[in-house]
Amino acid sequence: SQQGEEDPQALSIQEGENATMNCSYKTSINNLQWYRQNSGRGLVHLILIRSNEREKHSGRLRVTLDTSKKSSSLLITASRAADTASYFCATDALLNAGGTSYGKLTFGQGTILTVHP
Amino acid sequence: KAGVTQTPRYLIKTRGQQVTLSCSPISGHRSVSWYQQTPGQGLQFLFEYFSETQRNKGNFPGRFSGRQFSNSRSEMNVSTLELGDSALYLCASRRDQGRYEQYFGPGTRLTVT
Repeated sequence: SQQGEEDPQALSIQEGENATMNCSYKTSINNLQWYRQNSGRGLVHLILIRSNEREKHSGRLRVTLDTSKKSSSLLITASRAADTASYFCATDALLNAGGTSYGKLTFGQGTILTVHP
Repeated sequence: KAGVTQTPRYLIKTRGQQVTLSCSPISGHRSVSWYQQTPGQGLQFLFEYFSETQRNKGNFPGRFSGRQFSNSRSEMNVSTLELGDSALYLCASRRDQGRYEQYFGPGTRLTVT
């Protein structure tokens, strides 16, 4: 079963606009990662944010994490047609002993982003 | 550095047959995870291997199995294929040792008829 929900399920914007996607999860996490997938191909790692971080930037990407609300958001600024893809959040659950779940990522259902030229 | 490679890229099998998929991780990466992606269930974790040992397993029937070799290459096997096994099977590798980013291969598209 999926860890949580992503919102919206689909997002359609014009080039140059910003795109914001949200992700909610259910359990305590070690970290949260965002991935992009183009047309049913492999996933591309975008950014990782640890549970003790609140915000992280990478190029045009900005990720926030609110562990009290068990939610995260991904902001893509100045979007381009090439950003058209599905975006997934994935959580690495925190084990009781404080370790990681050994490579088990739990994915959301994803947001389909379409950027029109 | 070469990325994660998966073979074959596409596969068509009939119900009842078995299939073996292969994954070569990024050089230096010792952890390999497998995921199944379907339109209905999304991305689901199958299992993870590190140093030839399975460290974690998802909620899949015993028909799904895997292994890892001493060079970190991994294979997964599905026996007695069912129509519902049609999916994109993704392999991901990571360095481990405190690094959590996973790097995915292009996937193997399995169609069961």
